[in-house]
Amino acid sequence: DSGVTQTPKHLITATGQRVTLRCSPRSGDLSVYWYQQSLDQGLQFLIQYYNGEERAKGNILERFSAQQFPDLHSELNLSSLELGDSALYFCASSVADGVGEKLFFGSGTQLSVL
Amino acid sequence: AQTVTQSQPEMSVQEAETVTLSCTYDTSESNYYLFWYKQPPSRQMILVIRQEAYKQQNATENRFSVNFQKAAKSFSLKISDSQLGDTAMYFCAFMKRGTMKTSYDKVIFGPGTSLSVIP
Repeated sequence: DSGVTQTPKHLITATGQRVTLRCSPRSGDLSVYWYQQSLDQGLQFLIQYYNGEERAKGNILERFSAQQFPDLHSELNLSSLELGDSALYFCASSVADGVGEKLFFGSGTQLSVL
Repeated sequence: AQTVTQSQPEMSVQEAETVTLSCTYDTSESNYYLFWYKQPPSRQMILVIRQEAYKQQNATENRFSVNFQKAAKSFSLKISDSQLGDTAMYFCAFMKRGTMKTSYDKVIFGPGTSLSVIP
């Protein structure tokens, strides 16, 4: 168990809908990362938050948004869903241990858009 | 922009044998970290090993070791005494080191190598 909690584990929805994925980082971790893993695109970085602020942005679609709350949990919002958004969405959190950052991953949310 | 390449989409190895997975990366940075992550059929992402670019000594974690060639921008993973539980997708990853202790950059992943350990 990595200590990173993602809910829900599975999500099935229809095209055009909006969903929210939730992530609770490891205790003490201030950074949260979101990744999308699809069969043809591999692991794609979406966005990173550090202590409530957006720190880095990847190839995140405008239909997607995220935020990190004061209690450090994070939510990834996906709207106007398309079939191609079906993927495994990972959240990861990190701690700087003095010799380099390590990413600890949650078990992911499998999103299926029908 | 940094890129990570894994040229072996699939590999197999006999149980108890040794296998080496290749990874190359492209960066103009001098200070960074490299990682190998493992994703078994459960799809959980598990950190296998980490290397700091400023260290010349290759990292080792039990049966897992790396061959880090900074000038060649090569970072291969050697798995010794392969076990059935090593069957997984292996991802090589790169992260630029930040300028502040808690300010780091995103981790860039390679496309992965699917490793099968054969009994």
